[in-house]
Amino acid sequence: QKEVEQDPGPLSVPEGAIVSLNCTYSNSAFQYFMWYRQYSRKGPELLMYTYSSGNKEDGRFTAQVDKSSKYISLFIRDSQPSDSATYLCAMSATGTSYGKLTFGQGTILTVHP
Amino acid sequence: EPEVTQTPSHQVTQMGQEVILRCVPISNHLYFYWYRQILGQKVEFLVSFYNNEISEKSEIFDDQFSVERPDGSNFTLKIRSTKLEDSAMYFCASSETRPPTEAFFGQGTRLTVV
Repeated sequence: QKEVEQDPGPLSVPEGAIVSLNCTYSNSAFQYFMWYRQYSRKGPELLMYTYSSGNKEDGRFTAQVDKSSKYISLFIRDSQPSDSATYLCAMSATGTSYGKLTFGQGTILTVHP
Repeated sequence: EPEVTQTPSHQVTQMGQEVILRCVPISNHLYFYWYRQILGQKVEFLVSFYNNEISEKSEIFDDQFSVERPDGSNFTLKIRSTKLEDSAMYFCASSETRPPTEAFFGQGTRLTVV
């Protein structure tokens, strides 16, 4: 089983839709969960950062973590064409791992006007 | 806004040649990383670096790779003898405090080995 699994899509939605992006993971040591946005041939840009289980909201973005199910989600409300990008989930464990991030495959999102 | 800067943006090199990829992390950050992304694949961890030494490295980071912080501002990745399979986007990242914490990525260097 892969450590982090993410449906690569592609996902195409109309402008204004609510988008749901998800990742599952197998490593129980993961405690820190991030969502990055990556435009074509650019570096990942940090969107959301959460620790352990729960929800975190930032503007149109909400990140959810369910550690019991090893499942994380990113919701985008009122999606805009400028949200079109690849969304990467990333995770990190505590302990001796010095910030090593394990990424999902990325989901390609297109928001069409 | 502070950002991680990488140079060059694109490097083409002959197989077997040495390349050095350069990064300027965010100035008050103390933890530095290199990742790579082969076209169409996941972003993969290569190495983390703190206090002038490697903290952790992946199985990809073999003897042909090395990292250095030569002057207190730059952070470099050297590939001694490039192979075709080293062709990828290489991303530098940095974070301010002890990980795990938010890591900020540069725009990447696209390395093409021919």
